[in-house]
Amino acid sequence: DAEITQSPRHKITETGRQVTLACHQTWNHNNMFWYRQDLGHGLRLIHYSYGVQDTNKGEVSDGYSVSRSNTEDLPLTLESAASSQTSVYFCATSDKPGDEQYFGPGTRLTVT
Amino acid sequence: GQSLEQPSEVTAVEGAIVQINCTYQTSGFYGLSWYQQHDGGAPTFLSYNALDGLEETGRFSSFLSRSDSYGYLLLQELQMKDSASYFCAVRDPLSSGSARQLTFGSGTQLTVLP
Repeated sequence: DAEITQSPRHKITETGRQVTLACHQTWNHNNMFWYRQDLGHGLRLIHYSYGVQDTNKGEVSDGYSVSRSNTEDLPLTLESAASSQTSVYFCATSDKPGDEQYFGPGTRLTVT
Repeated sequence: GQSLEQPSEVTAVEGAIVQINCTYQTSGFYGLSWYQQHDGGAPTFLSYNALDGLEETGRFSSFLSRSDSYGYLLLQELQMKDSASYFCAVRDPLSSGSARQLTFGSGTQLTVLP
């Protein structure tokens, strides 16, 4: 069955370190998204991609970057982790009408 | 930009009916979606309304009134497993093609009591 995987599922890092969160999908979807989820804020879009070599900034992109070298993967990099980036991060894909997105299991990141 | 408002918490008893409202303010509108998220889990798609009216899927129904910028999710015959957060979402009007950039509401925590 097609799926979305994220790794690691939990990560603790120190302020200032570079961190990369992985997202891998086997849906063969062109569209991929990264969200962060914080209490009281729902899901907020960080970056998204419409296909290979395409990346775009979302609502809360400062301090984050992504790259898309193939269809399956969209890694999210925190260039210099900050305590404000402590959050749960979700990767999602879509390729269907009707706004249906498929979400990965999430990565809980703590920046100390 | 877009903003969506939904109640932060709703409580109901098993077997009851509950309605979760969502009002939105957007610069364009292409439909209202609903997602469910259990504690510690990933959001999962429930429904999508592009046109006014009621869409029914089993025990869940979703309603949209574009003239009122309002929608709701109706859950019938509540079960304990329906305890979760429910998010409404609208598509960014600047998004194009098949990509669906969504703006989510802050979510409604539904607690179902025995």
